[in-house]
Amino acid sequence: GESVGLHLPTLSVQEGDNSIINCAYSNSASDYFIWYKQESGKGPQFIIDIRSNMDKRQGQRVTVLLNKTVKHLSLQIAATQPGDSAVYFCAEKVPTGANSKLTFGKGITLSVRP
Amino acid sequence: DAGITQSPRHKVTETGTPVTLRCHQTENHRYMYWYRQDPGHGLRLIHYSYGVKDTDKGEVSDGYSVSRSKTEDFLLTLESATSSQTSVYFCAISMNNEQFFGPGTRLTVL
Repeated sequence: GESVGLHLPTLSVQEGDNSIINCAYSNSASDYFIWYKQESGKGPQFIIDIRSNMDKRQGQRVTVLLNKTVKHLSLQIAATQPGDSAVYFCAEKVPTGANSKLTFGKGITLSVRP
Repeated sequence: DAGITQSPRHKVTETGTPVTLRCHQTENHRYMYWYRQDPGHGLRLIHYSYGVKDTDKGEVSDGYSVSRSKTEDFLLTLESATSSQTSVYFCAISMNNEQFFGPGTRLTVL
């Protein structure tokens, strides 16, 4: 939990601004992607997912964009709030049959300034 | 939290001692996973299970064993704990490709 953030890049944003968190994934065969949020001392929490046949998906205040050409995934958070402060990381799934194994990125710390 | 609990939540132990961490789920999910999370590495898969008595290794399985004698429980055992196994351990279940995580166990090996 808490110690993960010590070695992670940090994105600092002003409360109310939009945040963009980026992720480069590794495997061009990956067909499913997830963004997770992890608050200090807690387990990762699912935010939003996207399949490889899409390039954009919107949720409540969050949007995920997928660019398969450059293997890039981004998470946009609208009107960032103090409660959005956390570590965010992406995960990718390579189709390997029935087993849903994910590969996780190292994460980025989002810090929201009041 | 998809009905996932982990026990203990915190443990301090000494090098060479055996340690067992428990993951319990209440929703009859078939797939369960054990990860460790360390600074600079993100989440790394230790072992996973795709049914009762059906388990397989992940990318960092050395020094760990698992057992799943019933659907709701997935146990992770460190036969002889080492300081390199100091970490935060997360259990997860899989549901429709998504993985949902437990609250984690912080293990310190002195």
